Amino acid sequence: EAGVTQFPSHSVIEKGQTVTLRCDPISGHDNLYWYRRVMGKEIKFLLHFVKESKQDESGMPNNRFLAERTGGTYSTLKVQPAELEDSGVYFCASSQEQLNTEAFFGQGTRLTVV
Amino acid sequence: KQEVTQIPAALSVPEGENLVLNCSFTDSAIYNLQWFRQDPGKGLTSLLLIQSSQREQTSGRLNASLDKSSGRSTLYIAASQPGDSATYLCAVGGFNKFYFGSGTKLNVKP
Repeated sequence: EAGVTQFPSHSVIEKGQTVTLRCDPISGHDNLYWYRRVMGKEIKFLLHFVKESKQDESGMPNNRFLAERTGGTYSTLKVQPAELEDSGVYFCASSQEQLNTEAFFGQGTRLTVV
Repeated sequence: KQEVTQIPAALSVPEGENLVLNCSFTDSAIYNLQWFRQDPGKGLTSLLLIQSSQREQTSGRLNASLDKSSGRSTLYIAASQPGDSATYLCAVGGFNKFYFGSGTKLNVKP
């Protein structure tokens, strides 16, 4: 069974450009989460989807970030326009149920904004 | 707001030693707690999941305990091996999100 897959693994873009990260969760997992770690700090929650619906986007830093999950399968996280402080590692995770089930994480996308 | 602390930040031990990694959290109203390992440049690999009603979970040489009332969890690694070298992350489960600690970077010397 394939795990959580993220594309690309690395991205280097200039300040002001747009970047789109993609996450393919484990098949059958309704719950999909985005997290990120910036500047050596703790991994922090960004948002949570159940199927195609956003359940909680309280961790999204600002309106330059837009997450979608059309059809309830894969998800994209777009940063537009990117700023220097957006650099970090963006992780996607999925789980079968919302509570009390194991969460599986992808390998992350390392985003560098120069 | 949940705060998760992991001590120590780094640990270096000779191969074969038993060791304990610590995780503490400020809000005892948790749903579960999950331990992960992260190898350099890689994603997070799930090690153990402890439900809020459980006291411990075991998998091979790993044993994780949970004491909700005191806000603590420990990850015990028996007979450590060089392949155990990685960063270990504690993630406390809230209603729909995890709160992560900064991790413990473990180095097991041959």
